[in-house]
Amino acid sequence: GDSVTQMEGPVTLSEEAFLTINCTYTATGYPSLFWYVQYPGEGLQLLLKATKADDKGSNKGFEATYRKETTSFHLEKGSVQVSDSAVYFCALSGDAGGTSYGKLTFGQGTILTVHP
Amino acid sequence: DAGVTQSPTHLIKTRGQQVTLRCSPKSGHDTVSWYQQALGQGPQFIFQYYEEEERQRGNFPDRFSGHQFPNYSSELNVNALLLGDSALYLCASSLVPRQETQYFGPGTRLLVL
Repeated sequence: GDSVTQMEGPVTLSEEAFLTINCTYTATGYPSLFWYVQYPGEGLQLLLKATKADDKGSNKGFEATYRKETTSFHLEKGSVQVSDSAVYFCALSGDAGGTSYGKLTFGQGTILTVHP
Repeated sequence: DAGVTQSPTHLIKTRGQQVTLRCSPKSGHDTVSWYQQALGQGPQFIFQYYEEEERQRGNFPDRFSGHQFPNYSSELNVNALLLGDSALYLCASSLVPRQETQYFGPGTRLLVL
């Protein structure tokens, strides 16, 4: 079945540092890939997405590129802020021709803490 | 534009009891999915409703059941609660059943004692 693996955390950075959170996946065909963010006490917010190979999703300074050859979708940001402190989830939705299309499969999440 | 809303925000139950959680989808959306998020884990898909029918189901026992109403709102019912059912229950909505982008509500935190 489909699965998503995220780098083990938590990640602690100083403000303005460079951020990378690794995400790799296992799925048949061409899934769509997502990053969601969860702030303390809140639900999930869609951060960015990519629906086909080599697509780059971007939002609020965050970027991730869909790499089919390495089955990866790593999240990056050039300069993090204290307000970026949250839990980040990588997720996939199965190929449009498959039974898992429209059902999100999540990684275990990575806690990011940014200090001033 | 109203987002996804859920009620109640918090709930405490005892083992063996039954619970009903409620969700109203984002305006214009007709499909509702439910997820369970245990502490420190990623959300796990429970099931998805469209046109008042369950369309997909994850690996959850039939103690977990749901319903969708004509106005697209949805309920999640859990019978015979176990301690392990303690979690954040998230509702997500989308337009048409297999659209990729799902929008999440704030969740209902259930504690089973």
